[in-house]
Amino acid sequence: AQSVTQLGSHVSVSEGALVLLRCNYSSSVPPYLFWYVQYPNQGLQLLLKYTTGATLVKGINGFEAEFKKSETSFHLTKPSAHMSDAAEYFCAVRYGGSQGNLIFGKGTKLSVKP
Amino acid sequence: GAGVSQSPSNKVTEKGKDVELRCDPISGHTALYWYRQSLGQGLEFLIYFQGNSAPDKSGLPSDRFSAERTGGSVSTLTIQRTQQEDSAVYLCASSTRAGTNTGELFFGEGSRLTVL
Repeated sequence: AQSVTQLGSHVSVSEGALVLLRCNYSSSVPPYLFWYVQYPNQGLQLLLKYTTGATLVKGINGFEAEFKKSETSFHLTKPSAHMSDAAEYFCAVRYGGSQGNLIFGKGTKLSVKP
Repeated sequence: GAGVSQSPSNKVTEKGKDVELRCDPISGHTALYWYRQSLGQGLEFLIYFQGNSAPDKSGLPSDRFSAERTGGSVSTLTIQRTQQEDSAVYLCASSTRAGTNTGELFFGEGSRLTVL
């Protein structure tokens, strides 16, 4: 079955430190890949996406992610964490040629320490 | 409105009662999705509408769950004879037809359901 795995349900970093949130997918067919962010008591919003083309994609708030087909990964990074980055982050996939739903990972809650 | 609107934002009900959750998508968005978010479980897909039809309702957990969409706009998710395990946040999302292909969804803030 197609799936998305986010390693680590909770990640804690210091302000100014590198943020690395991991996402791996299972498929032999390259999917469309997404990161969504959910701030407390809010709905999810799209952070960035990979569909085709350049494998390094940049999103809002200084986040970026790189699609690595050989590793079936789409890890999310940010060079320097800010307090406002504290939120829950969800990786999602949509497989090419299919209509409809995204498959979401279980989420990683990011805490940022002052 | 500018975004996806969901109501009620909070609902507390007794076990065995029926509940209705409403979603008002972004105007012009043809696709509408329902997801369920439980603590530690991430987002669980429930059902997807394109217009008024539901090509994928594979995620509905039981026949107590149903959803409809009318006029290509508002959708209602109904849970009959609620059980405690139905307690969760129910999220609605919408997208354009192009967004359906690329997966760019716009989410509401959710309806938090608590079944006592």
